[in-house]
Amino acid sequence: DIQLTQSPSFLSASVGDRVTITCRASQGINTYLAWYQQTPGKAPKLLISAASSLQSGVPSRFSGSGSGTEFTLTISSLQPEDFASYYCQQLNTYPLSFGGGTKVEIK
Amino acid sequence: EVQLLESGGGLVQPGGSLRLSCAASGFTFSGYSMSWVRQAPGKGLEWVSDITNGGGVTYYGDSVKGRFTISRDNSKNTVYLQMNSLRAEDTGIYYCAKRIRNGADYWGQGTLVTVSS
Repeated sequence: DIQLTQSPSFLSASVGDRVTITCRASQGINTYLAWYQQTPGKAPKLLISAASSLQSGVPSRFSGSGSGTEFTLTISSLQPEDFASYYCQQLNTYPLSFGGGTKVEIK
Repeated sequence: EVQLLESGGGLVQPGGSLRLSCAASGFTFSGYSMSWVRQAPGKGLEWVSDITNGGGVTYYGDSVKGRFTISRDNSKNTVYLQMNSLRAEDTGIYYCAKRIRNGADYWGQGTLVTVSS
């Protein structure tokens, strides 16, 4: 089974900061990686698919990169509505798996 | 507008069973695989199960294999999750989601399952 390790698990940042979250896979997954945002009490929202493809309606301050085993989600200028939890998911091989999550909080 | 509406959650004793349903609308249901994903209280997301668009192929996470069964009725635009031999660690919110090749692009609001005596 493929394990995904996200880092950091917790991040404290200010509005306007550039934020980077890393997701490492235990084996190569090509670019079969998605990123989700979840705010408290809400369902997850797909931000990025195929490692770097921004979903329709998602602000351009979000970007994704990587392939193989190392991936990153970057928020170029953190906005108040971006304070949330973020998860990566690999869709290369069953069983599918999620990373442990990164909680982004206001400094 | 794509909508996914889960139902069937509730309180069940350990060892009991529940059947979750997810009614879909706003897209060609028979054209897409579907997922169930769960989230224990205060914890992260856990993928549970997938079913292909025709229902012929199913996949399960290790923690639910042999106890849960995913199915779908394309005539009713509904996907199901039959959960047997429930354990306390199965407690959480269960989401259904519409699958695309590289993710799950629409999610329901979730249904809460509580396994407790």
